[in-house]
Amino acid sequence: EIVLTQSPGTLSLSPGERATLSCRASQSVSSSYLAWYQQKPGQAPRLLIYGASIRATDIPDRFSGSGSGTDFTLTISRLEPEDFAVYYCQQYGNSPVTFGQGTRLEIK
Amino acid sequence: EVQLVESGGGLVQPGGSLRLSCAASGFTFSNFDMHWVRQATGKSLEWVSGIGAAGDANYPGSVKGRFTISRENAKNSLYLQMNSLRAGDTAVYYCVRGAVRAYWYFDIWGRGTLVSVSS
Repeated sequence: EIVLTQSPGTLSLSPGERATLSCRASQSVSSSYLAWYQQKPGQAPRLLIYGASIRATDIPDRFSGSGSGTDFTLTISRLEPEDFAVYYCQQYGNSPVTFGQGTRLEIK
Repeated sequence: EVQLVESGGGLVQPGGSLRLSCAASGFTFSNFDMHWVRQATGKSLEWVSGIGAAGDANYPGSVKGRFTISRENAKNSLYLQMNSLRAGDTAVYYCVRGAVRAYWYFDIWGRGTLVSVSS
């Protein structure tokens, strides 16, 4: 199975700053079948990005995804207070689908 | 409103069984692949089963042979039968919708139901 490694484990930034989150796969992800999710405490995850770079419905354009092959990035251009949460990447190009261990984005 | 509501979680002894249910509303249930994803406290997410619109089921190795996913389209319902439960199966179990048939990323999530396996 494909192992996804996210870095950093924790990212401390201030509102208004730019956040860059990384997701690295143990082998190439077919056709950029990579998604990103946001999870806030006590809530279910929310889909942000699929196909590596396509924003899901109602996701603000400050969220963007990029990458291919084994290296993918989620960028939040200007952090809003509501963006501080845990972010997970997921590959769905190979079975079983797998998730990264998460990056916690916290307020500095 | 598109919604998924899980039920059936609880405390069960190791080796026991539990059946989870998920009630779907607000969309044409029969047109979508459906899945269960679990999350142990403080841990990441783990896909545990998926079923296609036609009823074809898939599992990861960690639960294959112990868990059975099924669906009843006429009742807009998804189920997960869990047998031979272990402590490592303790988690919140989410019912989730596959966003596009055959592409297993997940656009709708329920609130989850907690399964605790302990003596």
